[in-house]
Amino acid sequence: QVQLQESGPGLVKPSETLSLTCTVSGGSISSSYWSWIRQPPGKGLEWIGYIYYSGSTNYNPSLKSRVTISVDTSKRHFSLKLTAVTTADTAVYYCARRIAETGTGINWLDPWGQGTLVTVSS
Amino acid sequence: SSEPTQDTAVSVALGQTVRITCQGDSLSNYDASWYQQKPGQAPVLVMYGKDNRPSGIPDRFSGSSSGNTASLTITGAQAEDEADYYCGSRDSNGHHFFGGGTKLTVL
Repeated sequence: QVQLQESGPGLVKPSETLSLTCTVSGGSISSSYWSWIRQPPGKGLEWIGYIYYSGSTNYNPSLKSRVTISVDTSKRHFSLKLTAVTTADTAVYYCARRIAETGTGINWLDPWGQGTLVTVSS
Repeated sequence: SSEPTQDTAVSVALGQTVRITCQGDSLSNYDASWYQQKPGQAPVLVMYGKDNRPSGIPDRFSGSSSGNTASLTITGAQAEDEADYYCGSRDSNGHHFFGGGTKLTVL
């Protein structure tokens, strides 16, 4: 079955760019949507955005000005870039596959990666 | 659409039934998904659509919805069901939302 694994620096300085990659294994990266979600320590989940394998994207309006999600199907991974980070961006970052059911419009996230903690600090 | 609302915490006696609810405007148009998160672990999908369980999720978990409220019911709660539960929804623009989460305690 599909498995996801996040990777990237665990520490980023304020005002710099956070960069993470999610590698897809056990299944095809094509014909699917791929999402990023984050969770600040002790808090709830926040959706960041998703990308379709073809490259079309959809972002959380509150983060849109700072977020870029890209996909590299040849390398079977997709990536997140978040610019101008502050301490408020400290969180566990998860990647997940978004499944959208045509007709009903229902969507859900499955599976999820194990998550990676990114701390923003000087 | 704004974030769906959930009760902060709910408790249930071992073996009893508990319902976790999620309320929001978006739920009038799109069915919710539900995620279970245990401490230090990634969320796991436990329900999607009105009442669809992914493979491997026990059948004591069920889902329902009415109007702008979605519910996740655990019939015969077990100790291993103690976790945070998040509902997920979407709006007409495809933006995804999560409820604030419900901490379930099994007594």
